Amino acid sequence: EAQVTQNPRYLITVTGKKLTVTCSQNMNHEYMSWYRQDPGLGLRQIYYSMNVEVTDKGDVPEGYKVSRKEKRNFPLILESPSPNQTSLYFCASSLFRNQQETQYFGPGTRLLVL
Amino acid sequence: AQSVTQLDSQVPVFEEAPVELRCNYSSSVSVYLFWYVQYPNQGLQLLLKYLSGSTLVKGINGFEAEFNKSQTSFHLRKPSVHISDTAEYFCAVSLNSGGYQKVTFGTGTKLQVIP
Repeated sequence: EAQVTQNPRYLITVTGKKLTVTCSQNMNHEYMSWYRQDPGLGLRQIYYSMNVEVTDKGDVPEGYKVSRKEKRNFPLILESPSPNQTSLYFCASSLFRNQQETQYFGPGTRLLVL
Repeated sequence: AQSVTQLDSQVPVFEEAPVELRCNYSSSVSVYLFWYVQYPNQGLQLLLKYLSGSTLVKGINGFEAEFNKSQTSFHLRKPSVHISDTAEYFCAVSLNSGGYQKVTFGTGTKLQVIP
């Protein structure tokens, strides 16, 4: 089954404690992206990656890091989480042959930073 | 840079009534347009997309949208809603040029279907 998986689905942590949210897709997609969703703000892109070892900032990259060492995985790293990073996070992937490809979304990771 | 405006944050509607969710965009170049649906506690799922050709696009679950270039709109419609349509709906725009895929989402419209 084609899917995007995220782990963990729910996470409560404290300010400053490094964490990683994993994202994996089994569709051999080149393009992957991270979004955060906040009430009243919709989805905002954090980082995206066009292929292995190719990443770039989205609209709200501050406080986040990503890496793309393998095509299927695109982890999101919070080196020193702060309460304003409490949010719902979505990973997405798509083919990158052209820009109209549909993005497939993971189920989301709900993060609370105390 | 492109932007997307969803004018209504919440839309209540009675079951079996028609509904229209509004979306306007701005861009200096041609764009691709999408509507996604998010059911409670789930990720986003594509409803429909406009790439080119016919301005009336039909999607899943009986939804359709019409691209209006002169009004820069892409409103979503359904002639008769069901309880199961209760969800949040996001309009999104993707640039039709350049070398990367940047998608901008609207702030979402919560559709509440009342029995």
